Amino acid sequence: DVKVTQSSRYLVKRTGEKVFLECVQDMDHENMFWYRQDPGLGLRLIYFSYDVKMKEKGDIPEGYSVSREKKERFSLILESASTNQTSMYLCASSFLASSGFYFGPGTRLTVT
Amino acid sequence: DQQVKQNSPSLSVQEGRISILNCDYTNSMFDYFLWYKKYPAEGPTFLISISSIKDKNEDGRFTVFLNKSAKHLSLHIVPSQPGDSAVYFCAASSNAGGTSYGKLTFGQGTILTVHP
Repeated sequence: DVKVTQSSRYLVKRTGEKVFLECVQDMDHENMFWYRQDPGLGLRLIYFSYDVKMKEKGDIPEGYSVSREKKERFSLILESASTNQTSMYLCASSFLASSGFYFGPGTRLTVT
Repeated sequence: DQQVKQNSPSLSVQEGRISILNCDYTNSMFDYFLWYKKYPAEGPTFLISISSIKDKNEDGRFTVFLNKSAKHLSLHIVPSQPGDSAVYFCAASSNAGGTSYGKLTFGQGTILTVHP
């Protein structure tokens, strides 16, 4: 049974805090992704990684950074959390889209 | 620039009837399309997909139709059940040139409510 896990289901942080969201996959996938989901906007790609230590900006990278030190782990970092980063954050992994694209359960982040 | 669009934010259907969810795309390089279902506080789960070499794919109660000339796809659910109530996302991918990295571009989602 394939699995993508995320470190927290719910998180509450204060404005200005540094926030780490972690994601682990057990499918040996090269590609890993961070999306955020907001009502009416769908899922928007923040960053993705196609190999260890490699990363690419997605559509909305501002205010975020990522780290991929090991193949199975992909971290999203909010350098200085702001209220407009309150959202549902979804991690995913894949080899090719046609061979399966799997999501984690999501982290609901609230920044106050 | 929204490359994948779901223009209906919501759809309400009676149990047993057909649900039709629509999706339009603008990028002609997209060659693989997927539908995902999402319940609140959970990650999206894969429902059904279609390659651009086909115009229809069926899996039980779910059928996806692809009209490449119109850059339009639709998901049909027959018969609809209350448990189908969820947010449905259309997604597209391009494997052209092998540089897609399996990336998916998503639509805004459609909230489906199936009434008993």
